[in-house]
Amino acid sequence: GAVVSQHPSWVICKSGTSVKIECRSLDFQATTMFWYRQFPKQSLMLMATSNEGSKATYEQGVEKDKFLINHASLTLSTLTVTSAHPEDSSFYICSALPTGVNTEAFFGQGTRLTVV
Amino acid sequence: KQEVTQIPAALSVPEGENLVLNCSFTDSAIYNLQWFRQDPGKGLTSLLLIQSSQREQTSGRLNASLDKSSGRSTLYIAASQPGDSATYLCAAGANSKLTFGKGITLSVRP
Repeated sequence: GAVVSQHPSWVICKSGTSVKIECRSLDFQATTMFWYRQFPKQSLMLMATSNEGSKATYEQGVEKDKFLINHASLTLSTLTVTSAHPEDSSFYICSALPTGVNTEAFFGQGTRLTVV
Repeated sequence: KQEVTQIPAALSVPEGENLVLNCSFTDSAIYNLQWFRQDPGKGLTSLLLIQSSQREQTSGRLNASLDKSSGRSTLYIAASQPGDSATYLCAAGANSKLTFGKGITLSVRP
């Protein structure tokens, strides 16, 4: 099946620093990728839709200047958490949608971010 | 706005029992309904995907059904095993976006 690689799987950073998370589709092209956040015992919440070659579309309440998304190629999207604070500590998961109509999205392994 | 509900939040059953996990959604205008498994601290494993034109999908001991008109989906697990212990999430798909429920944490006792 299609593989989506997310890196790193976990990261600890100091408050005020920035962290970049990568999401790669290894064996297919993805015009669209999605970034989700999951707090403990909560559902996955969509943060933004990343479109190759254009600006990301952010969900209501998500700060676009804090969560920078870049989708520079058909196989790579990055999420940068800028000036991270402890409340940004969460599990971040990406998914990639193979180019096509109503195709299934494939998920990365997730990144556990802890801001101290 | 789509809302997906999974009740109960947790379930504990003895090994060997057949069980049904429920999922409900408020907006029936969906393209598909997907069930995932999530182990603690891990990512998502896709279990079954039901397109809106389908009524059910089967994979091994798992069977998922979809009733769009009533806004419901069920995941049936036959002959449960301790290895089935995990959180099961359902997600309603529309316009390429998935709306997730909070999940049901299943514990299968040996």
